[in-house]
Amino acid sequence: GAVVSQHPSRVICKSGTSVKIECRSLDFQATTMFWYRQFPKKSLMLMATSNEGSKATYEQGVEKDKFLINHASLTLSTLTVTSAHPEDSSFYICSARDGSGGVGETQYFGPGTRLLVL
Amino acid sequence: GIQVEQSPPDLILQEGANSTLRCNFSDSVNNLQWFHQNPWGQLINLFYIPSGTKQNGRLSATTVATERYSLLYISSSQTTDSGVYFCAVDLTGGGNKLTFGTGTQLKVEL
Repeated sequence: GAVVSQHPSRVICKSGTSVKIECRSLDFQATTMFWYRQFPKKSLMLMATSNEGSKATYEQGVEKDKFLINHASLTLSTLTVTSAHPEDSSFYICSARDGSGGVGETQYFGPGTRLLVL
Repeated sequence: GIQVEQSPPDLILQEGANSTLRCNFSDSVNNLQWFHQNPWGQLINLFYIPSGTKQNGRLSATTVATERYSLLYISSSQTTDSGVYFCAVDLTGGGNKLTFGTGTQLKVEL
């Protein structure tokens, strides 16, 4: 099946620094990737949709200047948490859709990145 | 927006028992997927099931789109089935974005 990787798997940083998370589709091309955030014992919340070669689409309430998304190629999307604060600590998960953009295609998820901001 | 509710929120089973998890959604959908999130956080695709019934080993799923619900059946549960089960729906006209349900936390004990 389709494989999605994320790097790093875990990161601890100081408040005020920026952190970049990479999401890669390993064996397929993904024109669209998605970024989710999950708090402990909660469900996944969609943050933004990342489109290759164009600007990301952010969900309501998500600060685009805070969470910078770049989808530079068909296999790589990055999420940069800028000027991180303790409240940004969370589990960030990406997914990629294996297909040409048709209705109802399966999404495959990366293993997630645990961010802790001190 | 669309509401996706799962029940029960928590479930404890003895190994070997069967269970049924339910997912209710409030609007018509193009797609419904079931996932298992393991204790390390990885989401594992179980089923892509916008309608009908599918089976994969000890797991099966049924979606009745007209009545806006889906069921996940786990038979002969094992300790490795422990984790959180999520359903997620792709709303009709929603741009292929998945909305996740509230989840069911399953613990299978010896």
